Amino acid sequence: GQQLNQSPQSMFIQEGEDVSMNCTSSSIFNTWLWYKQDPGEGPVLLIALYKAGELTSNGRLTAQFGITRKDSFLNISASIPSDVGIYFCAGQLGDTDKLIFGTGTRLQVFP
Amino acid sequence: DAGITQSPRYKITETGRQVTLMCHQTWSHSYMFWYRQDLGHGLRLIYYSAAADITDKGEVPDGYVVSRSKTENFPLTLESATRSQTSVYFCARRVTPNTEAFFGQGTRLTVV
Repeated sequence: GQQLNQSPQSMFIQEGEDVSMNCTSSSIFNTWLWYKQDPGEGPVLLIALYKAGELTSNGRLTAQFGITRKDSFLNISASIPSDVGIYFCAGQLGDTDKLIFGTGTRLQVFP
Repeated sequence: DAGITQSPRYKITETGRQVTLMCHQTWSHSYMFWYRQDLGHGLRLIYYSAAADITDKGEVPDGYVVSRSKTENFPLTLESATRSQTSVYFCARRVTPNTEAFFGQGTRLTVV
């Protein structure tokens, strides 16, 4: 079954606010990836993290690979309407080839 | 362009019929994956393949069959479709297990 707990499930925020979401697990992951999905499209990669403790930014997005290798968070600063979508975390499970996804965070941004 | 094409984009089929979803990559990356996406479940791994002729089960493999005779293609077959297999199916490619996955646009399958 699903091994990644992603929260929150949904967020409704005003334009300009900062957003934070996270993923946790009882399993160890070697890689963390954050994706965004727009309606009718496949997920698109936002940020990739490869080392425990790594902090990486991509424009207004910042993500971190937890020190324990069991969690990761994504922050979006100064949200804009085009940030609307579903955000997924994904983790490379331990010593396997499997990439496991969280259940997603649905983000709505109001002007 | 993610370099991965799925067909068809939309499919309606009847319960009990066999249906095959196609996935083709324009690269020759080793790893390919099939996921299904359902409300409240995110993306769940059905099958994956590390190379031609090497496949392995994911989280929800029951009712599905895959093959990988060529590196570029990774078809997913529902041998006898059921209503519970109504979903959006995504194919993905990766260079290695530790690099990012690139996704196709998905196939929306409805089983009636």
